[in-house]
Formats: sequence, structure tokens, C-alpha cells
Amino acid sequence: EVQLVQSGAEVKKPGESLKISCKGSGYSFSSYWIGWVRQMPGKGLEWMGIIYPGDSDTRYSPSFQGQVTISADKSISTVYVQWSNLKASDTAMYYCARPSRGYWYIDLWGRGTPVTVAS
Amino acid sequence: DIQMTQSPSTLSASVGDRVTITCRASQSINNWLAWYQQKPGKAPKLLIYKISSLESGVPSRFSGTGSGTEFTLTISSLQPDDFATYYCQQYDTYPYTFGQGTKVEIK
Repeated sequence: EVQLVQSGAEVKKPGESLKISCKGSGYSFSSYWIGWVRQMPGKGLEWMGIIYPGDSDTRYSPSFQGQVTISADKSISTVYVQWSNLKASDTAMYYCARPSRGYWYIDLWGRGTPVTVAS
Repeated sequence: DIQMTQSPSTLSASVGDRVTITCRASQSINNWLAWYQQKPGKAPKLLIYKISSLESGVPSRFSGTGSGTEFTLTISSLQPDDFATYYCQQYDTYPYTFGQGTKVEIK
């Protein structure tokens, strides 16, 4: 089965660091870009950035540049997004998402990782 | 960034109604537009890509039209399973921005 499996829910305090993951299976992981999408509580979808696991080519949306780091380990078919200094405003659902090969609409989504940042 | 603006933000409709959602882009997106459906607590689901191409398994009551900077998603006869939030997304220019969403509610 083609799927993206995300790591579990996280509860953190402001100032802490965090790394969440997304593991792909059932397809040629290194050959597809994978993106991260944020959804704040009750809000819409925001594109954070995207990585090509084959060579770790990474692009960030301007709003997220410098705020998060996206990385990949193709040996274990996993991509990550990490924060070094969490803020309460990072509280959100984070989805990993795979664009269709050759195009950029998303045809495969992870189930999401809820992140709560509160003191 | 290309701005995507959906209207309305909320839509109240009844089962069997014909429903239309509009999405406007701040500049030409060369027909690279997709629509997604999201239900509470779930990941979005792809409905339509390249303006009007129906994703496999999506019911034919969903259709997409448009060109240039104005696009529409139509549900020809609203079904109980269709009450959800719908998002458009341009995938012409990075970052591939989404509209703010249109919530389809039960009237």
C-alpha cells in the first residue's frame, strides 16, 4: 500500500526543540518530492516547504524560511521537519504530502501530526 | 506568493442542491489548479487537478471549470458525504499556495 506514516502527537513547552517524521512506503521514495503543510487550529492549509529525498534538494516557503528545517534520510524513507525554538504559535496540525510525479498537486497525504506548544 | 481567494467562505446548502465554489488567483496560474476536500480531523483529499481532471474514485457529481485566474468547483447534487471544507491550490509557482477554504454546511 502506498502511504505516508507520520509520527505521533507532540506536546512541548515554548523554547523546546522538536523533530517530527514522515515515512513513505509502497513507492519509490527517493523519486518523489515530499512537502510539509501546516494547519493551525480552525484555519486553512499553508505550504511550509518541500524536499526531494533523492538528493535532499529543499525549498522553503518565505514565511517558513529560517523557522523550520526540513531534512530527509532516504535510507529509511523518511523526511523530517524540525524546530529549534518552539513558540505557542507553532501549535498546529502538520501534514506531510507527496505531490504527483511530474506535477505539484498533492495526491498522497499523511494523516497529520498534531503539535501543541504550551507552558 | 500567488494569492488564492475563495468565495464564499461558508455556504449553507441542502442535500440535492447544486453548489458552486469560486477560486480566484492573483495572477495567471497556467491552468495548474487543484481542488481538495477536507473533513474534520482528516487529511485533505484530492478531488480535481488541472482545473477539471477528476481524481480516480471521485464521484462524477464533482466538476471543475475555469481558466486564467478564475476557477470553479461544482457539486451537481450535494450528498450527505459532501459536507466538508474545500480548498483550491495553485501549483504553477512555488510556494504552491492554497485558498482559505470554503466550508459547506447543512442548511
